[in-house]
Amino acid sequence: EAAVTQSPRNKVTVTGGNVTLSCRQTNSHNYMYWYRQDTGHGLRLIHYSYGAGNLQIGDVPDGYKATRTTQEDFFLLLELASPSQTSLYFCASRRDREYEQYFGPGTRLTVL
Amino acid sequence: GDSVTQTEGQVALSEEDFLTIHCNYSASGYPTLFWYVQYPGEGPQLLFRASRDKEKGSSRGFEATYDKGTTSFHLRKASVQESDSAVYYCALSDRGNNKLTFGQGTVLSVIP
Repeated sequence: EAAVTQSPRNKVTVTGGNVTLSCRQTNSHNYMYWYRQDTGHGLRLIHYSYGAGNLQIGDVPDGYKATRTTQEDFFLLLELASPSQTSLYFCASRRDREYEQYFGPGTRLTVL
Repeated sequence: GDSVTQTEGQVALSEEDFLTIHCNYSASGYPTLFWYVQYPGEGPQLLFRASRDKEKGSSRGFEATYDKGTTSFHLRKASVQESDSAVYYCALSDRGNNKLTFGQGTVLSVIP
């Protein structure tokens, strides 16, 4: 079964702070995704990538940067965190030409 | 752009009750439709999918039929159990299957 890990699992920062969320998958999947989950909105796509060095803009990209350094690692960067970015963040991965996305356990971010 | 609408935000049932969660979509072309389930403290996981009109997806007693005419993919289960308590998401993929668009999610609570 596909394994997707995220770190940290919980993070508290202040407004204006700098935050990096990490995601690693160990199944050589091509595609990786970052979502945020908020009550009433479901899961919304922030950024995604189909390989090392590639980045695609999702549906809610404002205030977020992302970088895919290797096939395994995908990072989400919040350079000036705001309270509106308080959320539960999920990473997911998918093999090319397959439908199923495999999700990590999530990172809960609180911006005070 | 593409969108998915789940009518019910929360559903509370007793064990052995019949479940219906309504899902309607709006998309160009012919999307693939999915149901994902999320248990407490975990990321979402794929329940099943359907790719063609009138195709039925099913898993663990849950089922849904792709209806292109009514643009719907309603989730049903004949007899729910307490262990089915979770958040259920309807989703669709774009033409290239590069990304998913999720509905708002439905919280199912099953009372023993």
